[in-house]
Amino acid sequence: GESVGLHLPTLSVQEGDNSIINCAYSNSASDYFIWYKQESGKGPQFIIDIRSNMDKRQGQRVTVLLNKTVKHLSLQIAATQPGDSAVYFCAEMGWGNKLVFGAGTILRVKS
Amino acid sequence: DAMVIQNPRYQVTQFGKPVTLSCSQTLNHNVMYWYQQKSSQAPKLLFHYYDKDFNNEADTPDNFQSRRPNTSFCFLDIRSPGLGDAAMYLCATSLDGTNEKLFFGSGTQLSVL
Repeated sequence: GESVGLHLPTLSVQEGDNSIINCAYSNSASDYFIWYKQESGKGPQFIIDIRSNMDKRQGQRVTVLLNKTVKHLSLQIAATQPGDSAVYFCAEMGWGNKLVFGAGTILRVKS
Repeated sequence: DAMVIQNPRYQVTQFGKPVTLSCSQTLNHNVMYWYQQKSSQAPKLLFHYYDKDFNNEADTPDNFQSRRPNTSFCFLDIRSPGLGDAAMYLCATSLDGTNEKLFFGSGTQLSVL
């Protein structure tokens, strides 16, 4: 079956440094991917998305990279701030247009 | 302004006592979803409505039911909650469910005593 997984369950970075959160997916037919941020006790918050016809997309302080050859997705956060501390989920739009979430990465920002 | 609103924020129920969680949206989206999220895990899709069409996931227990009386509201009914049903329940919406982002509510944290 399809699955979306993450390489690192916890990432600690120093405030001001760049963060890179990685995600592997298994469904090569997926053509839409999203990164969500979830703070404690809150619902997932949309960060950025990318379609399979692109390999890079930039937002404000965030960049998503998609490598379809190796089925890998990453989220880059520039100049990481304490407010970026949260759990980050990648998700793919799989079969039947259902959004499937990966396991999540905890990002901790040290001041 | 909140676009997907879930009530209550926290819900405590007793083992075996039916409970209903509610979700409303101001986005006029066609699709509404219910996800279950257990501690330190990813959200897991239970079911979704496309307009009035109900789509259940194959592994969603029969104990979980849903109702969508109109475009704006969707309910999650747990007929006989067990201890294993304690979780955060997330409601989400999307315009038509095809390769587009979902908008999530803040969730209802369900405790089962």
